[in-house]
Amino acid sequence: QVQLQESGPGLVKPSETLSLTCTVSGYSISSGYYWGWIRQPPGKGLEWIGSMYHSGSTYYNPSLKSRVTISVDTSKNQFSLKLSSVTAADTAVYYCARIVGATQPFDGWGQGTLVTVSS
Amino acid sequence: NFMLTQPHSVSESPGKTVTISCTGSSGSIASNYVQWYQQRPGSAPTTVIYEGNQRPSGVPDRFSGSIDSSSNFDSSSNSASLTISGLKTEDEADYYCQSYDSSNHWVFGGGTKLTVL
Repeated sequence: QVQLQESGPGLVKPSETLSLTCTVSGYSISSGYYWGWIRQPPGKGLEWIGSMYHSGSTYYNPSLKSRVTISVDTSKNQFSLKLSSVTAADTAVYYCARIVGATQPFDGWGQGTLVTVSS
Repeated sequence: NFMLTQPHSVSESPGKTVTISCTGSSGSIASNYVQWYQQRPGSAPTTVIYEGNQRPSGVPDRFSGSIDSSSNFDSSSNSASLTISGLKTEDEADYYCQSYDSSNHWVFGGGTKLTVL
């Protein structure tokens, strides 16, 4: 069974770049599927940030596209999120998840990691 | 940008039935592109319905999904629904619909807080 785990700094300063890594176990990223990032500000709803196909193609939320980069390190079976020029509005729990296909749900959600943007 | 709209909150008594709607902003929601998630406080979401009306193993058959059949000549519509029958206090949670649009974008609804009184 696939398992995903987010890791990264819990505190980021305004205007800096948020960097998170998702480590995947139980499945090789390079074998297939989409891999995505979702966030949830405290007390608010879920927001899709972006997804990456196993081949490397990336798809981003239009509202975040100018600041987001998703990349993969197949040697470590990890994929990463970078969000630049962060503000307090980027404070959220960040989740990574797998998407087997466009008609399929996000699954294998990580436990989530809280990132706070504050000086 | 494609958006999904849900009621902010619903409430109902134990044993009753509740329906949560999810309406697309434009175009159509293909029924097989709609997923529903349950999220309890402090936990990641879990899938209760996928591809519009399919239930993962382990999800009680009290949970069902459907699309609005009032406007479809085919399988497209602009709204979907999650129905929970025989409500239990353990069903109290936030519920999110999610879909996928033709621009390779995934979208979540704003979420509905279900209170079981």
